Amino acid sequence: QQQVKQSPQSLIVQKGGISIINCAYENTAFDYFPWYQQFPGKGPALLIAIRPDVSEKKEGRFTISFNKSAKQFSLHIMDSQPGDSATYFCAAKREGSEKLVFGKGTKLTVNP
Amino acid sequence: NAGVTQTPKFRILKIGQSMTLQCTQDMNHNYMYWYRQDPGMGLKLIYYSVGAGITDKGEVPNGYNVSRSTTEDFPLRLELAAPSQTSVYFCASTYYTGVEYNEQFFGPGTRLTVL
Repeated sequence: QQQVKQSPQSLIVQKGGISIINCAYENTAFDYFPWYQQFPGKGPALLIAIRPDVSEKKEGRFTISFNKSAKQFSLHIMDSQPGDSATYFCAAKREGSEKLVFGKGTKLTVNP
Repeated sequence: NAGVTQTPKFRILKIGQSMTLQCTQDMNHNYMYWYRQDPGMGLKLIYYSVGAGITDKGEVPNGYNVSRSTTEDFPLRLELAAPSQTSVYFCASTYYTGVEYNEQFFGPGTRLTVL
């Protein structure tokens, strides 16, 4: 049973466009939702994270939108750049747990 | 700080061989994790540790063992390697007191092939 469902599997956007990656979850006990960015040959690195008491968090060109009632959260990358080309993973943590569950990842390609 | 370091970077094993993947962190983190990453499957938790001397199974522990004798080191042992263990292995760490969860820092990974 996949606890966090991520879509799309791959995404191609043009430079300057908006990239949107979506994740859905079932467990209402999740209390922490991070997004990780992974470049080829590297380990994942935290990009941005949100807790369910807010509906949106923005850091530079990256925004998480969180819809608690729909049990969905998404990553928006504004003004996408070729340097943003990477694989993005959403994740979630259950309240009281010290473990993350990850989505399957989205490979983003930004064409120049 | 070097962060999380992993050795080796690459390894080819024959079926039935054993090996230890090394992981060290210098951030004084109490929690450490081992994940495997297979194409299109995300990251699956193998084992984790909440502190020296304490380890617990994750989602996919079969075929692996861990130990945590110090805060800094968290080696992953593969006994009797099988082709199904061909994967990229990541070690991660974080500092968590049970109040607010923080970022997991990942190592650069070990690419393992079992033939």
